[in-house]
Amino acid sequence: AQSVTQPDIHITVSEGASLELRCNYSYGATPYLFWYVQSPGQGLQLLLKYFSGDTLVQGIKGFEAEFKRSQSSFNLRKPSVHWSDAAEYFCAVAPSGGYQKVTFGIGTKLQVIP
Amino acid sequence: DAGVIQSPRHEVTEMGQEVTLRCKPISGHNSLFWYRQTMMRGLELLIYFNNNVPIDDSGMPEDRFSAKMPNASFSTLKIQPSEPRDSAVYFCASSFWGEKMAYEQYFGPGTRLTVT
Repeated sequence: AQSVTQPDIHITVSEGASLELRCNYSYGATPYLFWYVQSPGQGLQLLLKYFSGDTLVQGIKGFEAEFKRSQSSFNLRKPSVHWSDAAEYFCAVAPSGGYQKVTFGIGTKLQVIP
Repeated sequence: DAGVIQSPRHEVTEMGQEVTLRCKPISGHNSLFWYRQTMMRGLELLIYFNNNVPIDDSGMPEDRFSAKMPNASFSTLKIQPSEPRDSAVYFCASSFWGEKMAYEQYFGPGTRLTVT
């Protein structure tokens, strides 16, 4: 069965600093990978996704993520964080064929300080 | 499009009462998901429909929970009787099952359920 690990529950960064949120997955083949963001009181919004091809994917709001098969990782990055990026971020994995069950990580809560 | 619509946004009820949560998926989407989010367990998939048919309900906690999708534009999640441990935020999400588009799930704003 697939699984997702987000090792950091909380992260605090200064506005303007770079950001990297970690995500490791467990799956027998190449999965489909996602990052979602959840602002307080809101539903989840898709930031970016990886299906195949270029391992560096660009998303909305200036985010990018890199798929590294050898490390089973799909880390999310942003070069300069804005105060509005404060939210909870979820990494997710789904099998690359058939039933589309998505497994979500526990989430990483990002705090941005001035 | 208005996105996924859920109602009510907040529900407070007493233990033992019946609770019905409602969801209207995005028009044209053929897959619908119900999730539950808690601090302790994170985001859990409860049930998944494809073309109005329940495909996977293995996440439904127990018989007190039931879900229906009578047509492509409406789904309900019912809890009867409700218990305090059912307190959580319940999300509905929809997607379109098609080449490389199947996994873009669009989430509604959620229903925050409090059972006292």
